[in-house]
Amino acid sequence: GENVEQHPSTLSVQEGDSAVIKCTYSDSASNYFPWYKQELGKRPQLIIDIRSNVGEKKDQRIAVTLNKTAKHFSLHITETQPEDSAVYFCAASISGNQFYFGTGTSLTVIP
Amino acid sequence: DTEVTQTPKHLVMGMTNKKSLKCEQHMGHRAMYWYKQKAKKPPELMFVYSYEKLSINESVPSRFSPECPNSSLLNLHLHALQPEDSALYLCASSQGSSIYEQYFGPGTRLTVT
Repeated sequence: GENVEQHPSTLSVQEGDSAVIKCTYSDSASNYFPWYKQELGKRPQLIIDIRSNVGEKKDQRIAVTLNKTAKHFSLHITETQPEDSAVYFCAASISGNQFYFGTGTSLTVIP
Repeated sequence: DTEVTQTPKHLVMGMTNKKSLKCEQHMGHRAMYWYKQKAKKPPELMFVYSYEKLSINESVPSRFSPECPNSSLLNLHLHALQPEDSALYLCASSQGSSIYEQYFGPGTRLTVT
């Protein structure tokens, strides 16, 4: 089955700086890559996603890049704010059936 | 309605009890999922229902029994659980077909004593 690795496990940045989280996947058949943000005690929330036919997608301060050849994808958050502090999970899916999650990155934005 | 709802929010049960978790969505989604999440860990897939039929069972012990009465509802029946089953149980749904975006409910915090 699919194996998703995520790095780093913890990340601290100063407010206003950028944060980058990286994931790799093993199954070349995976074609959908969502990112979720989970605040303490709350549900995972979809913040951005990308499909395998696209190399990059941006939504305001958040962007995701995908390198299919290398089987890795990354989340970029620019101009970080304290409310960006949360645990971020990447995931990989084959056609939206099973979702395989990375181990999570705990992001802390220091005011 | 763009939400997935779950009841109850919290549940404490003994190892001999029988209880059920409920999940509901009114977004017309045709795929529904149960996940188990331990503290500081990612969600682990348990079951997937697609068009009201069980399509994936990730080798979950039989003390967990899913049920999909209709396209809007998903239940998880619990019986003879163990303390290590204590976790946050998340329901999710997605439209199915070629639309993959998955939306999570708030979860049920389960404690087995």
